[in-house]
Amino acid sequence: AQSVAQPEDQVNVAEGNPLTVKCTYSVSGNPYLFWYVQYPNRGLQFLLKYITGDNLVKGSYGFEAEFNKSQTSFHLKKPSALVSDSALYFCAVRTSGASGYNKLIFGAGTRLAVHP
Amino acid sequence: DGGITQSPKYLFRKEGQNVTLSCEQNLNHDAMYWYRQDPGQGLRLIYYSQIVNDFQKGDIAEGYSVSREKKESFPLTVTSAQKNPTAFYLCASSRAGGDRVMDIQYFGAGTRLSVL
Repeated sequence: AQSVAQPEDQVNVAEGNPLTVKCTYSVSGNPYLFWYVQYPNRGLQFLLKYITGDNLVKGSYGFEAEFNKSQTSFHLKKPSALVSDSALYFCAVRTSGASGYNKLIFGAGTRLAVHP
Repeated sequence: DGGITQSPKYLFRKEGQNVTLSCEQNLNHDAMYWYRQDPGQGLRLIYYSQIVNDFQKGDIAEGYSVSREKKESFPLTVTSAQKNPTAFYLCASSRAGGDRVMDIQYFGAGTRLSVL
C-alpha cells in the first residue's frame, strides 16, 4: 500500500539554526514527492517537488529537500530557520504508472515551531 | 492562495441540513479536487474531477456530493448523511488529471465547517 509517514508531530528549532522535517514513503514504482506548507487557517502552498534527477531539490523560501532512494526518505531542510517559517508542513507522494489521475497521498503533517 | 476562491470561509450546519461549499478557479485548470482536513490526519481526498461533466469518488466520498458543470467551478455539498462533517475543507486544482504526475496542485484558503 502506498503511504507517507511524517514521524514527528512537532519540530522545535531556534531561529538561525538549521532545520529538518522528516518524511518517509512507501510506494510501488517511481516516487514523485512533494512538500507543501500550511499557515493557520489557510490553504496549502507548494514548496518543492522531486520527479527525477538530482537528489537535492531546491524550492521556495530557501527550503530544500534531499531524496534518498535507499532510505525511502525525502526530508525537508533549511540551513537557517526564521520565526516566519513556523507552520504546518506536509509531505505528499504520487506514483507513476497508476491509472487515473494526479492523486496525492499526504502525510499527517509536522508542525514546525521556530523560537526567537 | 493563487486563483482559487473558496466560500464561505466559515459555515455552520444544523442537523439534517445539506450545505454547499463553493470553489471557483480562474487558472484554466482542467482538474479539481476536494479534500477534508482533520487535526493530526493530514488531507483526505473526497472527490476529484479531471474534466467538465465528469467526477470520481475519492477515499471518503460517503455523505458528500459534487458537480462539475463549468470548468471553473466545483461545488461540494455536505449532505445530512455525513454524520461527522466538522472539518476544514480544501479545494485544489491542477493543469490536468490523468497521469500528469508532475502537475502541482494549487489550493484555496479553505472553508471551516462546524455543526450547530
